[in-house]
Amino acid sequence: SAVISQKPSRDICQRGTSLTIQCQVDSQVTMMFWYRQQPGQSLTLIATANQGSEATYESGFVIDKFPISRPNLTFSTLTVSNMSPEDSSIYLCSVTTGTNIQYFGAGTRLSVL
Amino acid sequence: GQQLNQSPQSMFIQEGEDVSMNCTSSSIFNTWLWYKQDPGEGPVLLIALYKAGELTSNGRLTAQFGITRKDSFLNISASIPSDVGIYFCAGQVFNNDMRFGAGTRLTVKP
Repeated sequence: SAVISQKPSRDICQRGTSLTIQCQVDSQVTMMFWYRQQPGQSLTLIATANQGSEATYESGFVIDKFPISRPNLTFSTLTVSNMSPEDSSIYLCSVTTGTNIQYFGAGTRLSVL
Repeated sequence: GQQLNQSPQSMFIQEGEDVSMNCTSSSIFNTWLWYKQDPGEGPVLLIALYKAGELTSNGRLTAQFGITRKDSFLNISASIPSDVGIYFCAGQVFNNDMRFGAGTRLTVKP
């Protein structure tokens, strides 16, 4: 497995602003992913963060709203842009190692007022 | 895409009781995984299953990969208060394509 650190752990933001969430891993990993977990719901994949190229977004998620960076094999960021109350969720980073099993960070709890 | 049907949605049990939950799908998966999520935390992997028919244990937890590759169950024996949390099944076809069930919220009464 890998040790995954997400920052911030929680935040309260005003509508119309943007928040950037960081995901740092203690070792080089093959794949990095970003998920959203709305209150009381399951996990929904937002995108796969590709190292050195544009992220691959799932249906219903777009780069303008959720820009993602992955400058190297241990770090990625997700930005939630122009936030509205509907963006209030837990945002989770996950990574895969050689086994292709996904391991998760503790998540970022976002509340948008 | 592939949909996972996880049941039950929630369970309220007495400490010491056994628990069983399952996931079914109309699609075939190559890997089944079970995660547990505690309040304020991310999901933590409990058990990973790689072959149809595989039965794997992790302490008081036992999970099986259905023979049809379309289902999996998780059993918890002799539940204790720290078993409280949300349990998610996940099915994986290819490397990036993992689908999650809706979760089973477990409450254990001392």
